[in-house]
Amino acid sequence: DVKVTQSSRYLVKRTGEKVFLECVQDMDHENMFWYRQDPGLGLRLIYFSYDVKMKEKGDIPEGYSVSREKKERFSLILESASTNQTSMYLCASSLNPTRSPLHFGNGTRLTVT
Amino acid sequence: AQKITQTQPGMFVQEKEAVTLDCTYDTSDPSYGLFWYKQPSSGEMIFLIYQGSYDQQNATEGRYSLNFQKARKSANLVISASQLGDSAMYFCAMRGGLNYGGSQGNLIFGKGTKLSVKP
Repeated sequence: DVKVTQSSRYLVKRTGEKVFLECVQDMDHENMFWYRQDPGLGLRLIYFSYDVKMKEKGDIPEGYSVSREKKERFSLILESASTNQTSMYLCASSLNPTRSPLHFGNGTRLTVT
Repeated sequence: AQKITQTQPGMFVQEKEAVTLDCTYDTSDPSYGLFWYKQPSSGEMIFLIYQGSYDQQNATEGRYSLNFQKARKSANLVISASQLGDSAMYFCAMRGGLNYGGSQGNLIFGKGTKLSVKP
């Protein structure tokens, strides 16, 4: 089974802090994604990566950056956390994009105070 | 623009009955894929079923089936014989087109339907 692991289940940070959310997958998937989930808004794509050191902006990249130095690891960075970034963050990976589903981690619930 | 619409914010169903969760989509791509995910209160996203735009048959996976009506651009999820464990959020999603990272696997999600199964 594909395993996508997010390093923290719950995280509480202060406004202005730099925050790192880590995600690791163990199935050699090329594609990795960071989504944000908010009630009533569904999942919205922040960034994705289709290869090491490659990244593309999603729908809501403002205030975020990403890093992919190794194929299995995709990090989401909040340069200066703000209260409107309080949310559930979901990491996902996929193999062949044609019919393959995304495989998700369990999520990180981030609270910025 | 590509879009997924789920018009039912919440639904109730009696245990052992069937339930249909609605999903409509909008795309100009001739080739696309449609997915359904389940998210229990624990938070993990569980893949349920996939339908390709060129698939001749409606997809089925155990108690889940997808009622795919291409001309109407709808891809409704049918759950037969509901169980208490089916209580969860359900998301419909579509593979993004070229401008939405679809070639890299990105999915565009609806806002979800919260299903509650009553004993």
